[in-house]
Amino acid sequence: DIHMTQSPSSLSASVGDRVIITCQASQDIDTHSNWYQQKPGQAPKLLIYDASNLETGVSSRFSGSGSGTHFTLTISRLQPEDIATYYCQQCDYLPYTFGGGTKVEIK
Amino acid sequence: EEQLVQSGAEVKKPGESLKISCQGSGYNSTKYWIGWVRQKPGKGLEWMALLYPADSDTRYSPSFQGQVTMSLDKSVSTAYLQWSSLKASDTAIYYCARLKGGYPFGYFDIWGRGTLVTVSS
Repeated sequence: DIHMTQSPSSLSASVGDRVIITCQASQDIDTHSNWYQQKPGQAPKLLIYDASNLETGVSSRFSGSGSGTHFTLTISRLQPEDIATYYCQQCDYLPYTFGGGTKVEIK
Repeated sequence: EEQLVQSGAEVKKPGESLKISCQGSGYNSTKYWIGWVRQKPGKGLEWMALLYPADSDTRYSPSFQGQVTMSLDKSVSTAYLQWSSLKASDTAIYYCARLKGGYPFGYFDIWGRGTLVTVSS
């Protein structure tokens, strides 16, 4: 299985801060990675697909980059509504696997 | 509106069987793979299975192969996930999600609200 190592596991930042979450794949997955946001008590929501494509309707404050084994999700200016847990996922090879999640809180 | 509507919460005893459902609407459901994702209490996401409605081709994660069965009723655009003998460790929220962008390099763009399954004696 392809292992997705996500870091940090949690972070606390101020409103307006730039937040960067990283995901390291255990092998080359090209650009076959996606990012999801999950708010408490809700289903996950797709933010970024194929490493860098912003899903329709998602705020442009979110961006993704990377290829191969290293991927990043950036929130350019953190807002209170961004409080959530974020997950990366690889779709290069079955079984699909998710990172362990990054819980983002407001300082 | 494109959406996936899941069946309601279930409370079961160990050893009992269960079938939960996920109905797609607002789009051509035969065109997209549908998947199931498990989330245990306070934990992360685990992909379980995928099914292609056009031909019922089904793929399972090795972690769930033999533990669950995914099926489909095309006539009502509904996918199912079933257990023949539940265990306490099956307690979790189960999400269905639509795979867009093609198989296997797709992404889950629409999610159901989740079905909470509680297994307790």
